[in-house]
Amino acid sequence: AQRVTQPEKLLSVFKGAPVELKCNYSYSGSPELFWYVQYSRQRLQLLLRHISRESIKGFTADLNKGETSFHLKKPFAQEEDSAMYYCALRPLSGNTPLVFGKGTRLSVIA
Amino acid sequence: GAVVSQHPSWVICKSGTSVKIECRSLDFQATTMFWYRQFPKQSLMLMATSNEGSKATYEQGVEKDKFLINHASLTLSTLTVTSAHPEDSSFYICSARVGLAVNNEQFFGPGTRLTVL
Repeated sequence: AQRVTQPEKLLSVFKGAPVELKCNYSYSGSPELFWYVQYSRQRLQLLLRHISRESIKGFTADLNKGETSFHLKKPFAQEEDSAMYYCALRPLSGNTPLVFGKGTRLSVIA
Repeated sequence: GAVVSQHPSWVICKSGTSVKIECRSLDFQATTMFWYRQFPKQSLMLMATSNEGSKATYEQGVEKDKFLINHASLTLSTLTVTSAHPEDSSFYICSARVGLAVNNEQFFGPGTRLTVL
């Protein structure tokens, strides 16, 4: 079974400080990992996916298969980064849905 | 990116009535649509997967007779909560994906907040 764990419900950091949102997953096969973000009163939207290997809004995430982790990082947090962040997993094969972690609320304090 | 809409955005109904929620892909044809449920301060829980023209596949613990899903066209899926009760109050979110390719993105609707009195 697939499982995504986000150990922190809430993470508060000061503006300009580094941010790391943790995500660990459990899946026996090859997964595709994602980070979704939900700003206040907005819909869920894709932030980044591991296969793209890109940096979006200053965020990066590296898939570590040995540690089964996909932590989201940003070197300098901005106030507009305050949002709910969800880590999600999907098997690389088959028409399967995303499985989400419980989410972490990031609060960036000015 | 592609846009997914939901209607209504919120609904209040009396216990025992049925409520229909529509999910539309506005500028693309969605081969697959997914329905999620989100309780306050909790994550999205997948309810069912629906492919156009075929019966939905429900996740374990989701009553298919209570949550009726219809995916009659490539741009519309409906979720009907039958004989709703207060415990069905939740945020329902649909998601749509184009095609079957594994790297196809899944787009999300804005959600529908259901409150059952």
